[in-house]
Amino acid sequence: SQTIHQWPATLVQPVGSPLSLECTVEGTSNPNLYWYRQAAGRGLQLLFYSVGIGQISSEVPQNLSASRPQDRQFILSSKKLLLSDSGFYLCACYTSVDSEQFFGPGTRLTVL
Amino acid sequence: GENVEQHPSTLSVQEGDSAVIKCTYSDSASNYFPWYKQELGKRPQLIIDIRSNVGEKKDQRIAVTLNKTAKHFSLHITETQPEDSAVYFCAASEDSNYQLIWGAGTKLIIKP
Repeated sequence: SQTIHQWPATLVQPVGSPLSLECTVEGTSNPNLYWYRQAAGRGLQLLFYSVGIGQISSEVPQNLSASRPQDRQFILSSKKLLLSDSGFYLCACYTSVDSEQFFGPGTRLTVL
Repeated sequence: GENVEQHPSTLSVQEGDSAVIKCTYSDSASNYFPWYKQELGKRPQLIIDIRSNVGEKKDQRIAVTLNKTAKHFSLHITETQPEDSAVYFCAASEDSNYQLIWGAGTKLIIKP
């Protein structure tokens, strides 16, 4: 079965600083990959999804971007963080073997 | 596009009693309906799912029912236990491979 790694686990960044969150998947190939954000006490907001290398679909216009340089690597970036970017960032993977969206452990980002 | 509504937002039940969470969806093309459980500070995890070719699915104390005509599906937890306390999310999709459209979540509190 697949394993999703996310790092860092926690991050505190000042407003206006850049961001790079990384997600890597093991144990599968050619997965669909997803970035979600969850504000404190709220639901899941889909930010980006990717069906393959270099293929990114954006769901919410904002100051974030995503890239998929390799089949099992998904990166979330920002050039300048806003206070509203604080939240729990979750990477998810879909595989036809397990036929479910499986979540990584998440990165908790606090923007001060 | 698809819209998923989830009720109630908070549910408090006595330990040992049953809990029911309901979701409605708008897109008749949706055919995959998962339920995720998210414990505090952790990732959402799939607990049960159902596809449109069945009306009910059970897994020990958990069951999901689907009414395609009325476009609603429900999660049933019987003999609730303290470890059932969590936030539960429903979702809908044309297929688990596609985007999941998420409900807003239900905070389930099990009172001892």
